[in-house]
Amino acid sequence: DTAVSQTPKYLVTQMGNDKSIKCEQNLGHDTMYWYKQDSKKFLKIMFSYNNKELIINETVPNRFSPKSPDKAHLNLHINSLELGDSAVYFCASSRGLEQYFGPGTRLTVT
Amino acid sequence: AQSVTQPDIHITVSEGASLELRCNYSYGATPYLFWYVQSPGQGLQLLLKYFSGDTLVQGIKGFEAEFKRSQSSFNLRKPSVHWSDAAEYFCAFNTNAGKSTFGDGTTLTVKP
Repeated sequence: DTAVSQTPKYLVTQMGNDKSIKCEQNLGHDTMYWYKQDSKKFLKIMFSYNNKELIINETVPNRFSPKSPDKAHLNLHINSLELGDSAVYFCASSRGLEQYFGPGTRLTVT
Repeated sequence: AQSVTQPDIHITVSEGASLELRCNYSYGATPYLFWYVQSPGQGLQLLLKYFSGDTLVQGIKGFEAEFKRSQSSFNLRKPSVHWSDAAEYFCAFNTNAGKSTFGDGTTLTVKP
């Protein structure tokens, strides 16, 4: 059984488009995260939700909007995609401090 | 400000040799420290963690790490590396506020 799943795994789109990435966890965790990993593999936290409430919002363009319909889901919507948004986006969940990561979504903006 | 530094961008070891990956942190209070591994095309998997207590912690896949407060370090070790250990390794730091800070990673290459 997949603990943290993301869809899609790959996403290729053109500049200016709007796209969403979905994340689901079946671990019963209270906290979920979105991370961005760039081409140099640097990993940076973007958002964190606890019980559907936003608790961490790093310096991220407001084109990025997370939505948590329930504790098990945290989706990431991106408006007006730019070339610099190309990266691998990881969802993670935790109860406490130990995080479990999804397999990642590779976003390519052309 | 809290930070995590992994001084080695890339390390190459021969299969069967020992391995040590360095991690240094900067934080004014008790740190919560982690090591994650990322295989090519995969997400991150937790290897081990340190919260308190015994400063030598054991993890999965034969890895261990030692917390040294005096050196602000949490180095990862393995006595004998296998070819399947080739991956990206991340040291991470967490606070009670739940915010994680990751090091820039160390790429491990294993020579046959």
